[in-house]
Amino acid sequence: QVRLQESGPGLVKPSQTLSLTCTVSGGSVSSGYYYWTWIRQPAGKGLEYIGRIYTSGNTYHTPSLKSRVAISMDTSKNQLSLRLTSVTAADTAVYYCARGSYSSTVLCYGMDVWGHGTTVTVSS
Amino acid sequence: QSVLTQPPSVSGAPGQRVTISCSGSSSNIGAGYDVHWYQQLPGTAPKLLISVNTNRPSGVPDRFSGSKSGTSASLAITGLQAEDEADYYCQSYDSSLSGFYVFGTGTKVTVL
Repeated sequence: QVRLQESGPGLVKPSQTLSLTCTVSGGSVSSGYYYWTWIRQPAGKGLEYIGRIYTSGNTYHTPSLKSRVAISMDTSKNQLSLRLTSVTAADTAVYYCARGSYSSTVLCYGMDVWGHGTTVTVSS
Repeated sequence: QSVLTQPPSVSGAPGQRVTISCSGSSSNIGAGYDVHWYQQLPGTAPKLLISVNTNRPSGVPDRFSGSKSGTSASLAITGLQAEDEADYYCQSYDSSLSGFYVFGTGTKVTVL
């Protein structure tokens, strides 16, 4: 059974870089028809898709964050990482990592495994 | 900001049927891209409820069903139960956003 656990600092100062890690257990980040996503949710608001990385290493990011976002994978540690630069209060949210799957004929089967989320507050 | 629009809230009495719409456009649902639905109970992470328009992952009750037509999709809950009170989100792919997936605006289901 695959499990995901997000971790990182709960408080980040404005203009600094937010760095989060998602540790995958019970499965490998580098195998299978999977991709790994980051999603965030400001308090009381909806879900916002940040981006995803495939086992091939290909990444896609939301256009509105593209210049500030980097998603990477460390296969030796079985972890994913999210870096968001120049943060502001608008980046305050619960950040989730999740696993999505696809096949040769289906673009996306949805995201079937989620972490519990980690709360990040941007404040001085 | 989202390109997928859902009603902010729907409500129903226990045992009733409620539906949640997800309205898109010709660059997402209308282009044939699949729709997935998630349930988010208070204080928890979202859970995949419907995969690829109509498919229920293992463990999801058959009270939940999905459909898609034209530029819209719908989630139906029949035999509404108290534990169904949650937020529901649709998700699809949008070809106008450089390979980007999008979530709907979300719908709060209240059991009266």
